[in-house]
Amino acid sequence: QKEVEQNSGPLSVPEGAIASLNCTYSDRGSQSFFWYRQYSGKSPELIMSIYSNGDKEDGRFTAQLNKASQYVSLLIRDSQPSDSATYLCAVNINNAGNMLTFGGGTRLMVKP
Amino acid sequence: KAGVTQTPRYLIKTRGQQVTLSCSPISGHRSVSWYQQTPGQGLQFLFEYFSETQRNKGNFPGRFSGRQFSNSRSEMNVSTLELGDSALYLCASSLGQGAWETQYFGPGTRLLVL
Repeated sequence: QKEVEQNSGPLSVPEGAIASLNCTYSDRGSQSFFWYRQYSGKSPELIMSIYSNGDKEDGRFTAQLNKASQYVSLLIRDSQPSDSATYLCAVNINNAGNMLTFGGGTRLMVKP
Repeated sequence: KAGVTQTPRYLIKTRGQQVTLSCSPISGHRSVSWYQQTPGQGLQFLFEYFSETQRNKGNFPGRFSGRQFSNSRSEMNVSTLELGDSALYLCASSLGQGAWETQYFGPGTRLLVL
């Protein structure tokens, strides 16, 4: 079993819809979770981080964390074609310094 | 503030050669981590440096090495290149070292081994 898992997609949503991206992780002791967006040919850029159970909102993005169920999700409201990218979930497994373990990424396609 | 910079951006090498990649972190950041990204394996952690010391190392062979200088700039070296080393090598910097630190990625160095 991979330590961080994501559905590879593609996840296709119409413009203006809510996109829901999910990630599960294996290590129950993990404390910090990050979502990165990566456009084709570019490097990952941070969307947001989350450390506590519940929701964290930043503009059109909401991260949700449920440590009991070991999943973290990202909701994108009012999806735009410019949101089309691969979304990477990253977990600091075992709170190991600055070592992040990444999921394989979910490719999101927002259709006009 | 300037972001993370990496040089060179693109590199072509042949099998058996060695390569050195450079990373300059965001000003004030003291931790540098290196990752390898390939289509098959995704993003994988290579190693992390903080205050010139390697703090964590991923599951890569000894051909992969790195170091950090007193100004927090970091280099990674790959010796005896193999075809499978073709990848995007990403450097990420963070202010300090700890599970809650946010890492910011540079543009990457794309290495092609022929």
